[in-house]
This record gives sequence, structure tokens and C-alpha cells, in this order.
Amino acid sequence: GENVEQHPSTLSVQEGDSAVIKCTYSDSASNYFPWYKQELGKGPQLIIDIRSNVGEKKDQRIAVTLNKTAKHFSLHITETQPEDSAVYFCAASRDYGQNFVFGPGTRLSVLP
Amino acid sequence: DAGVTQSPTHLIKTRGQQVTLRCSPKSGHDTVSWYQQALGQGPQFIFQYYEEEERQRGNFPDRFSGHQFPNYSSELNVNALLLGDSALYLCASSSRFVGLDEQFFGPGTRLTVL
Repeated sequence: GENVEQHPSTLSVQEGDSAVIKCTYSDSASNYFPWYKQELGKGPQLIIDIRSNVGEKKDQRIAVTLNKTAKHFSLHITETQPEDSAVYFCAASRDYGQNFVFGPGTRLSVLP
Repeated sequence: DAGVTQSPTHLIKTRGQQVTLRCSPKSGHDTVSWYQQALGQGPQFIFQYYEEEERQRGNFPDRFSGHQFPNYSSELNVNALLLGDSALYLCASSSRFVGLDEQFFGPGTRLTVL
């Protein structure tokens, strides 16, 4: 079955700097890769996703890149703000209802 | 537009007891998935329901069962609770008509087994 690894487990950056979180997956049939942000006491919130027919996607300060050959994808956050502090999860799945396999998470702290 | 709602927020049970958790999907969604999130870990898939039937199941024992009602809401039942069942239980909803890819999560139910 699918296995998703995520690095680093914790990340501290200064406000205004960029943050990068990397994930690798094992199942070459996976073709949908969402990123979720989870704040304390809340459920995960979808922040961006990418499908296998796209190499990069950007939404304001957030971008995701995908390398299908190497089976890895990354989340990039630019101009970080204190409210970006949270736990971020990557996930992978096949299309049409296949369950999500999540990475173990990255705790991001943005220091003012 | 109401998002995914779950009840109760918190629950405390003792070993051997049974528990029922409830989920109402986002308006317009017909598919509900349940996940277990242990402290400090990513969510793990339990099962998924649409058209009132279990469609997929993760690596969880038969003590975990579910149900989906005609209005698309869902219940997760756990029998013979173990200490290791203590976790945040998340419900996620999606729509087969928009694409099952995008799943929206509720706030979760925190279950503590003593």
C-alpha cells in the first residue's frame, strides 16, 4: 500500500522568510496530492492541492510542486506570517474515492 | 453554508464500553469518510460511505463500524473500547459529482478511553 513520508517534522522560520516542506510517496498510481493545515483543536483545512498532470500550482503565498518521476512533492510558503504557524500534512491518493494516506505532519512555527 | 459538523466535541469512556460518533457532511456532499488521528500523528483512514453503504475500509478491526443515513449524515461506532482507541476522530465529506478528490474535514471528536 501507499506510504507517505514528510520532512522536516518541525520547522522554525522568521516572519517574512520562506518555508519548504517535502513529501515522498511510494505508490506510482497515486495522482492527487492535497496539503492540509491543522491548527490546535481544529480539523485539517485544505490549503492547496495538485493533480498528477500538473507540475506546479500557486495560490498567492502558497505553492506546490510535484515530481512524478521522483515521487515527491513540496509545499512552499513565502513571506511567512505568525498565523501560518500550525501543523501541515501532505497526503496522497488515487482518483475516484480512494482513501487519503497522510504524512506524519510538520509543525511550522513562524517567529515574529 | 454550513461546513462539516461533528458531535460530540469531547467524549470520555472506559475500557470495554461502546461509543457512537456523529457527522453531518457539508451541504451538497454525499460521501463521508472517517479518520482516526492519534496524538502527534497524521490521520489514518477508517472507512468511507456513500449511497448508505461502506465502500472502502482501511486497516481497522471489525470493532469499528459505521452507518450512513438517507440524508448523507453518518455515524461511527466503536465497540469494546481499548485504551489505544483514544484519539481525535475526524469526519470528511466530499461529492462524487464534483470529484471525490477534495475532502473537507470537520473539527473532530476527541475520544478519551480510561
